[in-house]
Amino acid sequence: AQTVTQSQPEMSVQEAETVTLSCTYDTSESNYYLFWYKQPPSRQMILVIRQEAYKQQNATENRFSVNFQKAAKSFSLKISDSQLGDTAMYFCAFMKSSDYKLSFGAGTTVTVRA
Amino acid sequence: EPEVTQTPSHQVTQMGQEVILRCVPISNHLYFYWYRQILGQKVEFLVSFYNNEISEKSEIFDDQFSVERPDGSNFTLKIRSTKLEDSAMYFCASLRGWDTLTGTEAFFGQGTRLTVV
Repeated sequence: AQTVTQSQPEMSVQEAETVTLSCTYDTSESNYYLFWYKQPPSRQMILVIRQEAYKQQNATENRFSVNFQKAAKSFSLKISDSQLGDTAMYFCAFMKSSDYKLSFGAGTTVTVRA
Repeated sequence: EPEVTQTPSHQVTQMGQEVILRCVPISNHLYFYWYRQILGQKVEFLVSFYNNEISEKSEIFDDQFSVERPDGSNFTLKIRSTKLEDSAMYFCASLRGWDTLTGTEAFFGQGTRLTVV
């Protein structure tokens, strides 16, 4: 079974600053995918960024980037130039390539202060 | 842009009653899932459905739960006799599979908030 650990229940960041969310996972799979989802107060699940395990290059989507360390089984998310609209809960998720089932971490609540 | 649609957005039901949560996945998707999130907690896998049958279910998905894809478009989750602890947000997700150009991604509906009283 896969486990995903997010060790930071809450993070607070000043607007325009940078915040990094940590995520580690445990798996015996060799091929898999990793995701960060954003869940605002509306509770919609919004995909922020994804990473295929076979790709060494870290994924980037505008102000969002990841630091993927496959050997360490670490997948952190960096939010640059934080905006008030980034306030949400962020979930790290692991997807098996065999059945595409997602396993989620416990989430990190990010609050961006004006 | 195609999206996954869930109805109703909010359902209140009496303990012991049956509820059916409905989902319309994206039309060319092949894999379907239900996930549950108790308020403020992590998102938990319930069941996956592929090729018209359940491919995997979690410990949460006991005999009180069932899924159907009755007409090739809708994907439903039925809870036969609801309990207070079934109160949660239920998310449907669908996925096409892996594509050499775009990779893979699960698309989530907006969720159904189930309140059992």
